[in-house]
Parts: sequence; C-alpha cells; structure tokens
Amino acid sequence: SYELTQPPSVSVSPGQTARITCSGDALPKQYAYWYQQKPGQAPVLVIYKDSERPSGIPERFSGSSSGTTVTLTISGVQAEDEADYYCQSADSSGFWVFGGGTKLTVL
Amino acid sequence: QITLKESGPTLVKPTQTLTLTCTFSGFSLSTSGVGVGWIRQPPGKALEWLALIYWDDDKRYSPSLKSRLTITKDTSKNQVVLTMTNMDPVDTATYYCAHSGTAAAGLYYFDYWGQGTLVTVSS
Repeated sequence: SYELTQPPSVSVSPGQTARITCSGDALPKQYAYWYQQKPGQAPVLVIYKDSERPSGIPERFSGSSSGTTVTLTISGVQAEDEADYYCQSADSSGFWVFGGGTKLTVL
Repeated sequence: QITLKESGPTLVKPTQTLTLTCTFSGFSLSTSGVGVGWIRQPPGKALEWLALIYWDDDKRYSPSLKSRLTITKDTSKNQVVLTMTNMDPVDTATYYCAHSGTAAAGLYYFDYWGQGTLVTVSS
C-alpha cells in the first residue's frame, strides 16, 4: 500500500525557519496536502495542491515539491506554530493516505 | 457555513460492530465533486484514513481495513454512516468525519472536519 514518510520531530527556535519533509513514491504524480493539529483539536488544512495556502493561513506557511519529496516550510516560526503536522495525498486508485506526522517543537 | 459532527457509542466491546454517524450542514452530498470521509487517530498516534464516499456514491476504503468497513450516505438526512465490524482494543481512537469538495478537480483533501468522537474498545 502507498505510504508517506515524515520525520517524527523537528525543533526550531522562535523566528527561525522550520522545514518538514514528506516522501512518497506517488508524489511526483499526485498533489500533497498539509494539516496542522494542536492538542485536543481537529486537524486544520494549511497547504493544498503542494503549495497553495487556504484563506486565513498565515503567509509564513509555504509548501514546495521536488520529485518524491514535498516540504512544508514555516518561516519566522512562532510559539503558536508548535503542533503536529501531517502530510496527505492520494494514489492513482483514489486511496487516500496520511503521513506518520511530525511534531514541531518551538524551543 | 460547513459543519460536521460525529455521533455514536463511546464504548464498545471487543468483537462488536461500531456504527458512527456523521451529520453535516452547509453543503449537499448530491453536489458534484463533494465527498465525506472518515479518519481515525489512536491516542498519541497518527491520523489514519479509513473511508470516503462521493456524491455519485463512489466509495473508497483503506486497503488494510476494507473487509471491516462499510460507508453509506443518506442525502435526505445529510448523514454519512460508517460501520466497522469485529472491533478490537487496538481500534480505540478518536474518529473524525470530514468534508472534501474538490474531487471533481482532481484535488483530494479535507477542508472541514468534525470535532471527533472518542471510541474506546474494552470489555
């Protein structure tokens, strides 16, 4: 079955740039999406179609894609960005999949 | 305004069948491109996609759980129902339903989520 691989954790200091990667064989052909989840809350979409930002999401959140890896970049990280981040995609058969999640810690 | 809310039992016994209902408002599941999916999250663990039903009654299931899952819709009631058979303690999780409105455009993501409901499997 299709899998997406993320690093378990990323740590950055406030004001620095955080980069969270997500790897999957189908990513060159399928878009990736990113969600932010804070404790006790439902996930929130922060990036769609690899690099598009939904309305209401701060400009410091951006996405990019290169081959089998997509990257969520958070520029000028703030304390409020501390959360779990999940990538998600779908394969050519229409099966959806989430990555294992990355815990972003703001030091 | 799109909202979704999950409902169902908070406790089920091993081997029982779980039935969860997603009641939504602000959109119609008869509109082209719209889908409603189910996702679960065991305590302290990652999100796991379970199933999705589209406006045209097309259904997709997680390959690893397909034999245990059934998803149906009742457009007139604005509800989607997920059943999962043969429940086990490892199925203890928060179960979310979520809206997807862009499948017709080839974009597969959830833009609105319910608050989730915790289901515990224990004897």
